[in-house]
Amino acid sequence: QKEVEQNSGPLSVPEGAIASLNCTYSDRGSQSFFWYRQYSGKSPELIMFIYSNGDKEDGRFTAQLNKASQYVSLLIRDSQPSDSATYLCAVNSGYSSASKIIFGSGTRLSIRP
Amino acid sequence: DAGITQSPRHKVTETGTPVTLRCHQTENHRYMYWYRQDPGHGLRLIHYSYGVKDTDKGEVSDGYSVSRSKTEDFLLTLESATSSQTSVYFCAISESGTGGDEQYFGPGTRLTVT
Repeated sequence: QKEVEQNSGPLSVPEGAIASLNCTYSDRGSQSFFWYRQYSGKSPELIMFIYSNGDKEDGRFTAQLNKASQYVSLLIRDSQPSDSATYLCAVNSGYSSASKIIFGSGTRLSIRP
Repeated sequence: DAGITQSPRHKVTETGTPVTLRCHQTENHRYMYWYRQDPGHGLRLIHYSYGVKDTDKGEVSDGYSVSRSKTEDFLLTLESATSSQTSVYFCAISESGTGGDEQYFGPGTRLTVT
């Protein structure tokens, strides 16, 4: 069983709609959660992080964390063609261990005009 | 790319040859990481460093070694390259290395082993 799971996609969403990306993780001790965006041929870019249960909003992006159900999600409102990319979920299980960051395989998002 | 450079950006090498990839940062961050990214596997940690001359293994360290003689430089060496090491290699940095610390990535090195 993978420690961090994401649907590989592609997820196709019409422009202007809400894109919903999901991620589940296996380690109940996980403390911090990150979303990275990666354009084709480029490096991952951090777009959101969340540590506490609930929602965290930043512009068009909202991260949602539910530790009881062990999932974290990313909502993108008013989706734009420039949001088309692969989104990586990353989970850190130990607050003092740099080696415990685990990345999911990513979900490919395509915004259709 | 948060003051991180990687060299070379592309390399083709033959099986059995040694290869060294370089990561250079100008952010003075304490932690540096080497990842590889392969289709279907996402990013996997190879080695990381938590200070000059202080390194530790990650998830997929076999066949790789690292060195850090200066804060700003972190080298990844493939002692004898194999075709299974064909991949895209990313360097990342973070300030403190704690669980809540964000990592920032370099532009990547595409390595092909023939």
